Amino acid sequence: NAGVTQTPKFQVLKTGQSMTLQCAQDMNHNSMYWYRQDPGMGLRLIYYSASEGTTDKGEVPNGYNVSRLNKREFSLRLESAAPSQTSVYFCASSGLTGSSGNTIYFGEGSWLTVV
Amino acid sequence: DQQVKQNSPSLSVQEGRISILNCDYTNSMFDYFLWYKKYPAEGPTFLISISSIKDKNEDGRFTVFLNKSAKHLSLHIVPSQPGDSAVYFCAASVTSGTYKYIFGTGTRLKVLA
Repeated sequence: NAGVTQTPKFQVLKTGQSMTLQCAQDMNHNSMYWYRQDPGMGLRLIYYSASEGTTDKGEVPNGYNVSRLNKREFSLRLESAAPSQTSVYFCASSGLTGSSGNTIYFGEGSWLTVV
Repeated sequence: DQQVKQNSPSLSVQEGRISILNCDYTNSMFDYFLWYKKYPAEGPTFLISISSIKDKNEDGRFTVFLNKSAKHLSLHIVPSQPGDSAVYFCAASVTSGTYKYIFGTGTRLKVLA
């Protein structure tokens, strides 16, 4: 049972380089999310996609772009990486939007270092 | 502007005793709340949730209490076990419209054997 799969698991970038974090879920979920985790800051929402074809900014969207490629896949792109983007990134998904309550499921994380 | 706050960064508890983790929120529109557990180098995993129409939800050793008037929720773990040592995050969402989950900063629980 794969659940939420994200790649790569580890990446080192130089300042100014670009990269894309890939995420796919096999639970037929409508909603997908990208979070970053930093010490003392908890999990902060970068972008989310409530359903296929829509994307919205979260709490910390600056420096990132996203693409909801289809219902399964949601990618996060860093166009010009900065040291402040060194973090652990988590992709997540959840079920039906607008229902009475739903669990959000996370991938295992991607460790990104920008030097 | 932290909408979900966990004011205790860490907590140590003896094995077998009760662990109480607290969470406060500011947005009165939140109506669904969740607790997640995170081990190092792993993604967060779901523990327990509660809807705003309830004030308590139990699942085995885990109980979540919600006080809407105080905008406060707590997670009780009884009895605490060494395997419970992890970082715990609370999260809140608004179930009408789009689903956006806002997480707190986390509390690191250490259960001492």
